[in-house]
Amino acid sequence: DQQVKQNSPSLSVQEGRISILNCDYTNSMFDYFLWYKKYPAEGPTFLISISSIKDKNEDGRFTVFLNKSAKHLSLHIVPSQPGDSAVYFCAPNNAGGTSYGKLTFGQGTILTVHP
Amino acid sequence: NAGVMQNPRHLVRRRGQEARLRCSPMKGHSHVYWYRQLPEEGLKFMVYLQKENIIDESGMPKERFSAEFPKEGPSILRIQQVVRGDSAAYFCASSSAAVDNSPLHFGNGTRLTVT
Repeated sequence: DQQVKQNSPSLSVQEGRISILNCDYTNSMFDYFLWYKKYPAEGPTFLISISSIKDKNEDGRFTVFLNKSAKHLSLHIVPSQPGDSAVYFCAPNNAGGTSYGKLTFGQGTILTVHP
Repeated sequence: NAGVMQNPRHLVRRRGQEARLRCSPMKGHSHVYWYRQLPEEGLKFMVYLQKENIIDESGMPKERFSAEFPKEGPSILRIQQVVRGDSAAYFCASSSAAVDNSPLHFGNGTRLTVT
């Protein structure tokens, strides 16, 4: 029962171009959506988040879009840089509950940015 | 300003042995979460603890796995009689509050290999 799906296992883009990573979810109780970035042999690090009351959140080169009716969110990175090469995880939760730290991670998308 | 510290980084155990994984949360954090990442998968929630209390263990296997977070000292994830399927990366995360949209801070994980 996969509540969070990242259907693209990998994505390859050229430096300077836009990277778009997608995430679909099925649980309508999710109300807070986080993106984490992970390098090999390290733990995930927080990147950006969005509350369900918004449809867009921007932080520098990173923008997350949320389409609640479609249960879909996407992360845009522009311009992409080689240092962005990592695994990106979509991780929603039900922040209104008592275990906000109980995240449901997608399988991840490996992003490779070529110089 | 140390982050979440996990040790050991790598642990090799033979089938049937016990594995003990330690996690020291960030200073001032009293909430600890354990996650497991199997090969080619996303992170899966295992257990949420506060000092001396297990709050949510819905992701813990029913047998052989236990977790504690004593009043003094690190949180411990204990796996008894390990099997090959326990081989995974185990990540610990901490937070300062139960319901707070501040993101979780993850450690760099313990990679358990069962031979």
